[in-house]
Amino acid sequence: GQQVMQIPQYQHVQEGEDFTTYCNSSTTLSNIQWYKQRPGGHPVFLIQLVKSGEVKKQKRLTFQFGEAKKNSSLHITATQTTDVGTYFCAGITGYSTLTFGKGTMLLVSP
Amino acid sequence: DADVTQTPRNRITKTGKRIMLECSQTKGHDRMYWYRQDPGLGLQLIYYSFDVKDINKGEISDGYSVSRQAQAKFSLSLESAIPNQTALYFCATSDWGDQETQYFGPGTRLLVL
Repeated sequence: GQQVMQIPQYQHVQEGEDFTTYCNSSTTLSNIQWYKQRPGGHPVFLIQLVKSGEVKKQKRLTFQFGEAKKNSSLHITATQTTDVGTYFCAGITGYSTLTFGKGTMLLVSP
Repeated sequence: DADVTQTPRNRITKTGKRIMLECSQTKGHDRMYWYRQDPGLGLQLIYYSFDVKDINKGEISDGYSVSRQAQAKFSLSLESAIPNQTALYFCATSDWGDQETQYFGPGTRLLVL
């Protein structure tokens, strides 16, 4: 079945440093989504990428979808303590359901 | 999202007991899902339903069953709970026209002793 791999599993940064998490799929995706889960909370939808090579920005967050639609990345510029949480990518193929990566836990020290 | 609610929020039960986790939504979505979250394992799909008459197994359905009582309600049952079912359980909904963007409930933390 479809697999979505996400690295790193965990990253600890100092406030102000940049952070990137990477997502790779074993199959070509129709779209990829990113979610954020704060400690003790539930996953919350951040963004969806659909087109090959697509790049979207949300303030300090930059999301990319690879040309082959099999990989994606989330980059946070100048992290803040409010960025703490686990970031999940989730891919979908055709009419299947979402397959989530295992997530990257981000810890930001002030 | 307050539009997706789960009850109970926390539950402690004993091995062998039958328990039910309930999910309700006011978003008007047709699609509903149950996920299990264990530390470091991400979100694993247990069951999903695309409408009231549709039930599908996910990747880890063994030991679980579901019921879609109405468009707004989707319940998850553990027929005979075992300790390795201790986990955080999330219900989610999506709209068929929204390319599967999912909206999660607050979660139910389950401990099986």
